[in-house]
Amino acid sequence: GQQLNQSPQSMFIQEGEDVSMNCTSSSIFNTWLWYKQEPGEGPVLLIALYKAGELTSNGRLTAQFGITRKDSFLNISASIPSDVGIYFCAGFFSGNTGKLIFGQGTTLQVKP
Amino acid sequence: DAGVIQSPRHEVTEMGQEVTLRCKPISGHNSLFWYRQTMMRGLELLIYFNNNVPIDDSGMPEDRFSAKMPNASFSTLKIQPSEPRDSAVYFCASRSGGADTQYFGPGTRLTVL
Repeated sequence: GQQLNQSPQSMFIQEGEDVSMNCTSSSIFNTWLWYKQEPGEGPVLLIALYKAGELTSNGRLTAQFGITRKDSFLNISASIPSDVGIYFCAGFFSGNTGKLIFGQGTTLQVKP
Repeated sequence: DAGVIQSPRHEVTEMGQEVTLRCKPISGHNSLFWYRQTMMRGLELLIYFNNNVPIDDSGMPEDRFSAKMPNASFSTLKIQPSEPRDSAVYFCASRSGGADTQYFGPGTRLTVL
């Protein structure tokens, strides 16, 4: 089946540092979504991307829809302790039936 | 807006028992999704419904799992009989027709002893 490869698997950074994570696919995707999951909660949508090349920001978060439509990245600038959690990319590939495909997640830990 | 509501939040049961997980989607949303999350396999889609009709149940692990959506505001995921390997967090999510974004509930943490 369709898969998303998300990297890195985990990150441990110092407060104030910038963070970058990405997702790649072997298939063309029509939509890319980035979610954050905090302990004991369900994933919460951060950013949605709908067009190749689209760059969208949400506060300190910036995400881009890759030109090839097979990748996306998420940047977090000036990280703070409350950024900790698991970040998931997700998307709909071309021709799917409404099934959202998720990456494996990037676990982020921020040291104050 | 209340968001997606799931119950129970935690369930501990013994192997062989029947387990029923419940979900109330966001009012007005016409698609509902059941996911399972484990450390080993991440987030897996089990089944999803459009307008109360099951569209894709290819992710349901085996016949012990069944899901129903009797109306637009309620869905159940049942495991009978439960096994220890079913231990996981089960999420329900809903989506408004035509939109891409899914809204997740808080999940049910299931432990089968």
